[in-house]
Amino acid sequence: TQLLEQSPQFLSIQEGENLTVYCNSSSVFSSLQWYRQEPGEGPVLLVTVVTGGEVKKLKRLTFQFGDARKDSSLHITAAQPGDTGLYLCAGANYGGSQGNLIFGKGTKLSVKP
Amino acid sequence: NAGVTQTPKFRILKIGQSMTLQCTQDMNHNYMYWYRQDPGMGLKLIYYSVGAGITDKGEVPNGYNVSRSTTEDFPLRLELAAPSQTSVYFCASSYSTGRQHGYTFGSGTRLTVV
Repeated sequence: TQLLEQSPQFLSIQEGENLTVYCNSSSVFSSLQWYRQEPGEGPVLLVTVVTGGEVKKLKRLTFQFGDARKDSSLHITAAQPGDTGLYLCAGANYGGSQGNLIFGKGTKLSVKP
Repeated sequence: NAGVTQTPKFRILKIGQSMTLQCTQDMNHNYMYWYRQDPGMGLKLIYYSVGAGITDKGEVPNGYNVSRSTTEDFPLRLELAAPSQTSVYFCASSYSTGRQHGYTFGSGTRLTVV
């Protein structure tokens, strides 16, 4: 069974601080996605990374896919209260007809003003 | 463009009752999914469908049933509700397998079984 381990599970920081959350697996994925989920809502896709070593930026958010396609990180610069939420990573398998994503358990981020 | 619409938003069921969670998408996506989300446990796949008339079990299908008669609709049926089915349920859809384009989620149904 493929698993995605996210760390830390919880993170509480002050506005303006930087942070990094991690998503690790022993399995190789064809792509990896990051979602943000706000209370009472469904997850919303932030980014998809496909190539090993790929780096994508979305304003203050930087996403990196590991060279071996087994891990990923999300770095937030100068966090703001609006960044508060549950961050989920999800990996897609190679091959197969399902194409189902495997989700990590998430990192719950709280950014205090 | 509404995306994925789930109804109801909240529901309280008594043990042994049954209900149908509705899910509709207007993006002409072939792939649709049902997940449940429990605190600290992430998203668990219940059932999925790769097109109208085709459904398959996910990781936690026991106690649930689905049907997919149209591209747009993917209802989830709970028969004989049990307290273990207390959870937040999310429906999602994707263009093709979702590997590159990701999933679009609905806003969820919070179900409590008492």
